[in-house]
Amino acid sequence: NAGVTQTPKFRVLKTGQSMTLLCAQDMNHEYMYWYRQDPGMGLRLIHYSVGEGTTAKGEVPDGYNVSRLKKQNFLLGLESAAPSQTSVYFCASSNAGQQAFFGQGTRLTVV
Amino acid sequence: QQQVKQSPQSLIVQKGGISIINCAYENTAFDYFPWYQQFPGKGPALLIAIRPDVSEKKEGRFTISFNKSAKQFSLHIMDSQPGDSATYFCAASRGYQKVTFGTGTKLQVIP
Repeated sequence: NAGVTQTPKFRVLKTGQSMTLLCAQDMNHEYMYWYRQDPGMGLRLIHYSVGEGTTAKGEVPDGYNVSRLKKQNFLLGLESAAPSQTSVYFCASSNAGQQAFFGQGTRLTVV
Repeated sequence: QQQVKQSPQSLIVQKGGISIINCAYENTAFDYFPWYQQFPGKGPALLIAIRPDVSEKKEGRFTISFNKSAKQFSLHIMDSQPGDSATYFCAASRGYQKVTFGTGTKLQVIP
């Protein structure tokens, strides 16, 4: 049982480059989330989805885009990376009113 | 808007002592209050959760105390051990709505 799988685990980008982070879950969850975690800031919600084909903005959506074409996958895109996007990114999934399951995280450095 | 406020930001407890982390929420419609534990380099994982129809839930050394009228809930770790050293997040959600996390508490249990 894989749970929530994030790829890649580490990445270094140059300012202005683009990339996509992939999140896959095998628990048939309706809800999926992308968070960023920075020291002293806790988990901040970037975007989330309440079902296949839907997306919504979280607290810090600027500079990111997402897509949920399939129920099991939630993609996070950075169109033009900035040093301020250096962070650890976590994907999570859940059903409504239930516990969230997190991936192992992606450590992104933008230089 | 920070809907779940968590304190303290960091906590040092001696082995065998009691660790207490507090959270306060604003939205009275929340009906699910989980606590997550995160070890370095890992994603958060559910530790214990409570719903507002009970005032306390205990699982081993971990207890959630819930005060609906004060809109507060807390995590108590009895007989704290060095292996409990981690970051703890409280959270809240309601039905179909997204999970809202607190900012986290870094707990260090010293021998």
